[in-house]
Amino acid sequence: AQSVTQLGSHVSVSEGALVLLRCNYSSSVPPYLFWYVQYPNQGLQLLLKYTSAATLVKGINGFEAEFKKSETSFHLTKPSAHMSDAAEYFCAVSVGGGRDDKIIFGKGTRLHILP
Amino acid sequence: ETGVTQTPRHLVMGMTNKKSLKCEQHLGHNAMYWYKQSAKKPLELMFVYSLEERVENNSVPSRFSPECPNSSHLFLHLHTLQPEDSALYLCASSQETSYEQYFGPGTRLTVT
Repeated sequence: AQSVTQLGSHVSVSEGALVLLRCNYSSSVPPYLFWYVQYPNQGLQLLLKYTSAATLVKGINGFEAEFKKSETSFHLTKPSAHMSDAAEYFCAVSVGGGRDDKIIFGKGTRLHILP
Repeated sequence: ETGVTQTPRHLVMGMTNKKSLKCEQHLGHNAMYWYKQSAKKPLELMFVYSLEERVENNSVPSRFSPECPNSSHLFLHLHTLQPEDSALYLCASSQETSYEQYFGPGTRLTVT
């Protein structure tokens, strides 16, 4: 069965600094991987997804993530943090294909941006 | 309307009331979901419908009753709720159950 672990329930970075949010997955077959962002009192919004094409995936708002099979990781990065990036971020994993497959979400990482 | 919509956005109800949450997706997707999101708790998957058939029910109390009349609409009927049921209820849809999900804005439910 697949699972996902997000390291750090809270991460603080200074405005303009590098953002790094960590996600490790477990899957017995090649996974699909996703990052979502949630702003207060809103639903989750898809940031980016990996579906076995290019290992470096670019998403919205300047975020990107790299799939590293050897490390079973899919960390989310952004070169320069902006105040508007303050939100909760969720990593998710699924096994592609099959009617009964589903997406498993991590517990989330709250990103704080320091002025 | 585009994407996934949810109504109402906010709901306050007493423990003896009966109410329903509505979700509609305009994306032509085949799967729909209900999630519960409580403060300081992980996202909890409640129900999954695929092609209008319920394929998952994660030990949710019977005071929550889902209904999926067609592939575009999903309801969550609520009755005799408890204060601990207060949470943000999120609806989502996807093309298939393993593909990326698209979420609605949620209904903030408060049980008094």
